[in-house]
Amino acid sequence: AQSVTQLDSHVSVSEGTPVLLRCNYSSSYSPSLFWYVQHPNKGLQLLLKYTSAATLVKGINGFEAEFKKSETSFHLTKPSAHMSDAAEYFCVVREYNAGNMLTFGGGTRLMVKP
Amino acid sequence: DAGVIQSPRHEVTEMGQEVTLRCKPISGHNSLFWYRQTMMRGLELLIYFNNNVPIDDSGMPEDRFSAKMPNASFSTLKIQPSEPRDSAVYFCASSGDPTQYFGPGTRLTVL
Repeated sequence: AQSVTQLDSHVSVSEGTPVLLRCNYSSSYSPSLFWYVQHPNKGLQLLLKYTSAATLVKGINGFEAEFKKSETSFHLTKPSAHMSDAAEYFCVVREYNAGNMLTFGGGTRLMVKP
Repeated sequence: DAGVIQSPRHEVTEMGQEVTLRCKPISGHNSLFWYRQTMMRGLELLIYFNNNVPIDDSGMPEDRFSAKMPNASFSTLKIQPSEPRDSAVYFCASSGDPTQYFGPGTRLTVL
């Protein structure tokens, strides 16, 4: 069975400082991993995905994530936060034998202070 | 491609009324998902279709909810009768590979 844990429900950073959103997963098989972002009153937008190619994945808006199998982690980072990054972020896992079904983490709300 | 299209974007109705939410998936995608999002419960998968066939509807809360996918380009989620606790944002997503692409959602308010 697969599961996802987002270690922080809220993260607050100052504009221009680095962002780290933590995600750990549990999976019996080689997973695909995703980060989605949801801005207020909007739908979920794909930020980046890992599907067994390079372990360091670059996404949109300067975000990247590193797949670390030994740590079962897929943390999301950005060198310098922007006010427009304030949103809810979801870490998501899919096992190869799960069809197209995804398991979502509980979400991390990122706040960016001026 | 226009992405996943949902209609209406907002729906306000009175308790007891029938509500129908609509979704047009991305062309060529063979899987379609309906989710519900609330502050209390977060994002919940309601039902999932593959090649127009319902595969897993274990998330459908009760018999008042039903979903159909008559063809590859259209799906509906119906609530009859609606109740105030059904108020939420309902998302449709489609997928042709591991990646799901979400629509903008329908915000449902049941008074």
